[in-house]
Amino acid sequence: AQSVSQHNHHVILSEAASLELGCNYSYGGTVNLFWYVQYPGQHLQLLLKYFSGDPLVKGIKGFEAEFIKSKFSFNLRKPSVQWSDTAEYFCAVNPYNNNDMRFGAGTRLTVKP
Amino acid sequence: DAGITQSPRHKVTETGTPVTLRCHQTENHRYMYWYRQDPGHGLRLIHYSYGVKDTDKGEVSDGYSVSRSKTEDFLLTLESATSSQTSVYFCAILQGSGANVLTFGAGSRLTVL
Repeated sequence: AQSVSQHNHHVILSEAASLELGCNYSYGGTVNLFWYVQYPGQHLQLLLKYFSGDPLVKGIKGFEAEFIKSKFSFNLRKPSVQWSDTAEYFCAVNPYNNNDMRFGAGTRLTVKP
Repeated sequence: DAGITQSPRHKVTETGTPVTLRCHQTENHRYMYWYRQDPGHGLRLIHYSYGVKDTDKGEVSDGYSVSRSKTEDFLLTLESATSSQTSVYFCAILQGSGANVLTFGAGSRLTVL
């Protein structure tokens, strides 16, 4: 069965630090890839998505992610985090032409002011 | 907002009792999903539906059943609740043809004593 691995359980950064959160998946075919964010007390919201084309995708709030097919990875990055980025981040994988969406265990990001 | 309403938002029940969670959508989306969210596990798919009376199991379907008698409602039932089913349950719908983007409801927090 396909799986999604997020390497970091909890990341703590100071404001203005750079962020990279890892995501790897095990599905071998064509996939759609997503990052969702869950701010404290809220439900999940889409941060960015990759379907095809340029492997570097940009999302909201200055986030970007790079799809590296050979490494089955879709890492999330942000050059300079803010206190308001404190949240839990989830990577998700959806096989192409399949509506089964699987999530990673999530990475909790704490940004210290 | 895709017009997703989950009810109840909070419920406390006792082991062995039946529980039904309701997800209601107002935009006629075909695909609907139930996930549970637990610390360290992220979101895990319980069941999903791809149309009226068409449902399929996810990765953690044991102990849960679902029904979809009309497009707008997707019910999740715990026939005999156990403490391991204490969780936050999220309903989601798949938006846009080919977009494969999930939009989530606000969640239902279930505590089984």
